[in-house]
Amino acid sequence: EVQVLESGGGLVQPGGSLRLSCAASGFTFNDYAMNWVRQAPGEGLEWVSGITGRGHKTYYADSVKGRFTISRDNSKNTLYLQMNSLRADDTAVYYCAKELTAVGAFDPWGQGTPVTVSS
Amino acid sequence: DIQMTQSPSSLSASVGDRVTITCQASRDIRNYLNWYQQKPGKPPKLLIYDASNLRTGVPSRFSGSGSGTDFTFTISTLQPEDFATYYCQQYDNLPYTFGQGTRLDIK
Repeated sequence: EVQVLESGGGLVQPGGSLRLSCAASGFTFNDYAMNWVRQAPGEGLEWVSGITGRGHKTYYADSVKGRFTISRDNSKNTLYLQMNSLRADDTAVYYCAKELTAVGAFDPWGQGTPVTVSS
Repeated sequence: DIQMTQSPSSLSASVGDRVTITCQASRDIRNYLNWYQQKPGKPPKLLIYDASNLRTGVPSRFSGSGSGTDFTFTISTLQPEDFATYYCQQYDNLPYTFGQGTRLDIK
């Protein structure tokens, strides 16, 4: 079964850092682009960042560019999101999602890991 | 960025009803449009990709159509498990963007 499972969320003060992880299983990890999508409390979905299968190309939403870094370790089937200079408006559930080849669709999604930025 | 506008934002319907949601892109996105279903406290699930292709395992009562800037998502006969929030998403251009969502409630 294809699965992705996030971890690493929590409470952090404004200006702080956090690293999210996403463990993948059930598919050939390095064949697929991976993405992070977030959802603020009571709000809609916002794409955050994506990375190609081999990790050669990365992409970011303007709202996180320069503060967040996406990476992957294909030997560990794991995706990461390093989040620095966190702000209150980064508070959200962060989802990891596998991207279907050539379709730009996210499937499946993990259960999400909550990040709260507050003093 | 490409703006995606869904209509309506919320909708009340009854089991057995036919329901249609529209999604409009701020510019031509060809057929690069996906639809997701999200239930409270759960992650989104992909239902339709490339505007009209049903993901394997998704019931045939779900369908999608459209190209360019105007898209439609239809549930032909509402079932109790279909009450949820639905999102469209474009992938023609980065950043990928989502519609604001359509909440489908029981009437």
